[in-house]
Amino acid sequence: AQSVTQLGSHVSVSEGALVLLRCNYSSSVPPYLFWYVQYPNQGLQLLLKYTTGATLVKGINGFEAEFKKSETSFHLTKPSAHMSDAAEYFCAVISGNTPLVFGKGTRLSVIA
Amino acid sequence: GAVVSQHPSRVICKSGTSVKIECRSLDFQATTMFWYRQFPKQSLMLMATSNEGSKATYEQGVEKDKFLINHASLTLSTLTVTSAHPEDSSFYICSARPSTGDYGYTFGSGTRLTVV
Repeated sequence: AQSVTQLGSHVSVSEGALVLLRCNYSSSVPPYLFWYVQYPNQGLQLLLKYTTGATLVKGINGFEAEFKKSETSFHLTKPSAHMSDAAEYFCAVISGNTPLVFGKGTRLSVIA
Repeated sequence: GAVVSQHPSRVICKSGTSVKIECRSLDFQATTMFWYRQFPKQSLMLMATSNEGSKATYEQGVEKDKFLINHASLTLSTLTVTSAHPEDSSFYICSARPSTGDYGYTFGSGTRLTVV
């Protein structure tokens, strides 16, 4: 069975600083990996996904993530944080025809 | 892009009553939809997988008689919380995956259920 571990339930960065949110996965078959963002009292919005092909994936709002099979990681980064990036971020994985399995989420705070 | 509409966004109901939540795929057909529950400051917990034209598949520990799921068409799935109790208060989110096999799951905007 697949699983996702997000290191750090809360990450705080200064505005303009690098954002790094960590995600490690476990899967017995090649995974498809996702990052979602959730604003308070809202659903989830897809930031980016990795299915096949290029391991560096670019998403919306300046975010990108790199699939590293050897490290079983899919960390999310953004070069320069904006105040509007403050939200909850979820890493998720599917393998085969299974539903999405989510990590516990990381709350990103951006300090002015 | 794929859009999922979820309604209502907020609902308050009295204990013992039932509440229906709708999840519609607006611009694509979804043979499969998923219902999640989210407690405050926690991750999403998969409740059930809704399959068009057949019975839903419930996750372990989810009461199928309390959380009734109907997926009567390729664009609509409903979740009915029956005989609601205060402990059913939560944020419910649906998700749909286009029938074309695209793995870009799309989520509804969620429903905040409060049972008083």
